[in-house]
Parts: sequence; structure tokens; C-alpha cells
Amino acid sequence: AQSVAQPEDQVNVAEGNPLTVKCTYSVSGNPYLFWYVQYPNRGLQFLLKYITGDNLVKGSYGFEAEFNKSQTSFHLKKPSALVSDSALYFCAVTPPRRGSSNTGKLIFGQGTTLQVKP
Amino acid sequence: DAGVIQSPRHEVTEMGQEVTLRCKPISGHDYLFWYRQTMMRGLELLIYFNNNVPIDDSGMPEDRFSAKMPNASFSTLKIQPSEPRDSAVYFCASSSGLWGSPLHFGNGTRLTVT
Repeated sequence: AQSVAQPEDQVNVAEGNPLTVKCTYSVSGNPYLFWYVQYPNRGLQFLLKYITGDNLVKGSYGFEAEFNKSQTSFHLKKPSALVSDSALYFCAVTPPRRGSSNTGKLIFGQGTTLQVKP
Repeated sequence: DAGVIQSPRHEVTEMGQEVTLRCKPISGHDYLFWYRQTMMRGLELLIYFNNNVPIDDSGMPEDRFSAKMPNASFSTLKIQPSEPRDSAVYFCASSSGLWGSPLHFGNGTRLTVT
């Protein structure tokens, strides 16, 4: 079955320190990978995506993510965390297009709460 | 661009009542999605439309749930009759494509059924 796992319910980091939010996936082929962020009482906002090309993808607000095919991972990173980065982060994957056999629906992880302390 | 607009932001209703949630997608987006978010189940895709046509409604939990998209700029999600277990935040999202296109979410409707 196709799935996305975010192994940490919560990540705590001090402001100014680097942060990593982990994501692994189980999808055959070369999937499309996404990160979204959700602030309180708001909808999800797109941060970045990986389709093909360089394994390191840069996105909004200084975030980046590294695609690792051998480890089937797509970890979200930021060199220096801000208190304002505190939010709920979702990893998502779309299976690769293969005729009509895949619907293109996004599969979301359960989310990881990032807490950045001053 | 005003983004995806949902109304109401909050809805409190009694069990057995009909509830209608509304969504206006981003102009030009061909795909519209309805999601439900709860602590227990996370984000669940309920249904999605392409060019106003329902494509996949396999996530709709029961016959009490129905969704329509009468035109490219409006969609509704209706629950009739509502039950306490329907309490959740319901999100509408739109995108310009399916594969590889990011979703743009509205701010959601928080539904409480008492």
C-alpha cells in the first residue's frame, strides 16, 4: 500500500539552530513529493515540491528538502529556525503518472508539530 | 488573487440538522478537493472534481455526505443529517492540475455537531 510516514509527532528546536522534520514514503516508482505547512486556524500552505532533478529542493521561507531515493526519504530542513516557524508540517506524495492506473491523489502524512523556542 | 474562499468559518449545529459548507476555488483552477481534518484521522480526502465533474468520491464516509459543483466557481459539501462524529475542520482546496501541481487550501470550516 502507498503511504507516507512522519515518524515524529513533535520536533523541538531552539531559535537559531538548524531543524529537520523527517518524512519517508512507500510508493513504487518515482513519486512527486511535497511539503505543506499549517498555521493555527488556517489551511495548509504549499512550501516546496520535488518532481525531478536536483535532490535538494529550495522552497518558501528559507526551507529546503532533500530527496533520497535509496532511503525513500524527503526530509524538510532549515539552517536557522525562527520562532515564527512553529507550526504543523505535512509531507505528501503523489504516485507517478502511469497511464490511468494512478489517480494522482495526494497522500498526506500525519503531520509533525514543530516548536521553536526562543 | 483572493485564494480559496470557504464559508462559513465556523458552524455549530444540532445533531440531525442539515449542514452546507461552501467553497469558491481560485479562478482558472480545474481541480477542486474537499478534505476533512480531525485529530484522530488526520487529513482525509473526501471527494475531488475535475472541470466540475466528480472524479473520485471514495472518501465520502456515508450517504449522509454529498458534494456538488454546479459551476467552475462554486462547490458545496452537504451533510444531512449531521451527527456528532462529523465534527471536524473541513477544507476545500483547488489546483491547476493533478500531478505535480500544488494544492491551494482555504482556511477551512470548523464544524461542531452537538
